[in-house]
Amino acid sequence: DGGITQSPKYLFRKEGQNVTLSCEQNLNHDAMYWYRQDPGQGLRLIYYSQIVNDFQKGDIAEGYSVSREKKESFPLTVTSAQKNPTAFYLCASSFRDGSYEQYFGPGTRLTVT
Amino acid sequence: GESVGLHLPTLSVQEGDNSIINCAYSNSASDYFIWYKQESGKGPQFIIDIRSNMDKRQGQRVTVLLNKTVKHLSLQIAATQPGDSAVYFCAEDPSNFGNEKLTFGTGTRLTIIP
Repeated sequence: DGGITQSPKYLFRKEGQNVTLSCEQNLNHDAMYWYRQDPGQGLRLIYYSQIVNDFQKGDIAEGYSVSREKKESFPLTVTSAQKNPTAFYLCASSFRDGSYEQYFGPGTRLTVT
Repeated sequence: GESVGLHLPTLSVQEGDNSIINCAYSNSASDYFIWYKQESGKGPQFIIDIRSNMDKRQGQRVTVLLNKTVKHLSLQIAATQPGDSAVYFCAEDPSNFGNEKLTFGTGTRLTIIP
């Protein structure tokens, strides 16, 4: 089945540790995105990548890092510099043909204590 | 700054009735709008989209209306069902640069009353 997957679904970390969230898609999409969602709020863009080996900061990139070494994969690292890392993280992907529709993964809920 | 916003954060509708979820946008240059449905603990799912050269678009039980004069977008859901209970987000492409970035609204929580 084609789709976008994120793992794990739940992640727990101690404060001061870096953690990497996985995102994989087999939809042959060129563009991939990472969003953060806090309770009762909308989605805020962290990073996005339109092509392999290239990515741009979104609205809230501080304390996060990404890589795009393969078309299918766009991992997000939440570093210890992120002051409020506990959130629901969503990965998405899309074509670059002007259709704009983004396909979302199931999300990873990160809790840092 | 420019943003996408919603008039009501919550909406309760009797099962079987029609529901209307509203969204205001401020960027008159936006040429693409999309509605997503998000169930609790899951990723958003595409519902319907519309381009600025259209006023109305219909899907299965859903209709999106775009009023460019007042920069208003609405999602109508006909004959609501319990499975329609979710948070609904509107999103727009504010840059019009074709870079596929979307700006999302805060969301409206729709509750269907049995």
